[in-house]
Amino acid sequence: GQQLNQSPQSMFIQEGEDVSMNCTSSSIFNTWLWYKQDPGEGPVLLIALYKAGELTSNGRLTAQFGITRKDSFLNISASIPSDVGIYFCAGLAGNNRKLIWGLGTSLAVNP
Amino acid sequence: KAGVTQTPRYLIKTRGQQVTLSCSPISGHRSVSWYQQTPGQGLQFLFEYFSETQRNKGNFPGRFSGRQFSNSRSEMNVSTLELGDSALYLCASSGGFETEAFFGQGTRLTVV
Repeated sequence: GQQLNQSPQSMFIQEGEDVSMNCTSSSIFNTWLWYKQDPGEGPVLLIALYKAGELTSNGRLTAQFGITRKDSFLNISASIPSDVGIYFCAGLAGNNRKLIWGLGTSLAVNP
Repeated sequence: KAGVTQTPRYLIKTRGQQVTLSCSPISGHRSVSWYQQTPGQGLQFLFEYFSETQRNKGNFPGRFSGRQFSNSRSEMNVSTLELGDSALYLCASSGGFETEAFFGQGTRLTVV
């Protein structure tokens, strides 16, 4: 099935560093969602974006809906050990209610 | 407000058997979607139910089926289990007209 291009695939950083990850698509999306998944748990919604150019923050997390509507970015500032997990992007195009998912970015934080 | 509840959390089945997984959505949510998650494959969409009707379907064989009841609870059934069906099965609910989906903790199915 269709998938988003999410990068990087994995990251290993030091505590306190900033993190940036992104998702791109060949198609235009109307909605971008960012989720975090802890091991053995279901994904948890972090940020939802509904408008091109929109910049939304949730604590140390900031996400942007790309102007072209074909990409989205997630930044984490001043990372801490509990940021460890897999981050997924998901997008929704047109009237199709089926979310399209990226393969995830696995984040490891060294204390 | 209770979140999405999936039962059971863990399940071990033998090849050839069938299995039924259950999902209770957030109260008031009418849309339930099911996903299969395996390492390296991300979340693979199985199907979505809204008001007891299948509204969307992924590219899975007919062995995978689902249904939704009038109280919005949903079940997913896999018949003639194969080793490759071992995965984390996730259920997500939404209000039906919004796009934000909220996930349960998943059911870890192991086929031996």
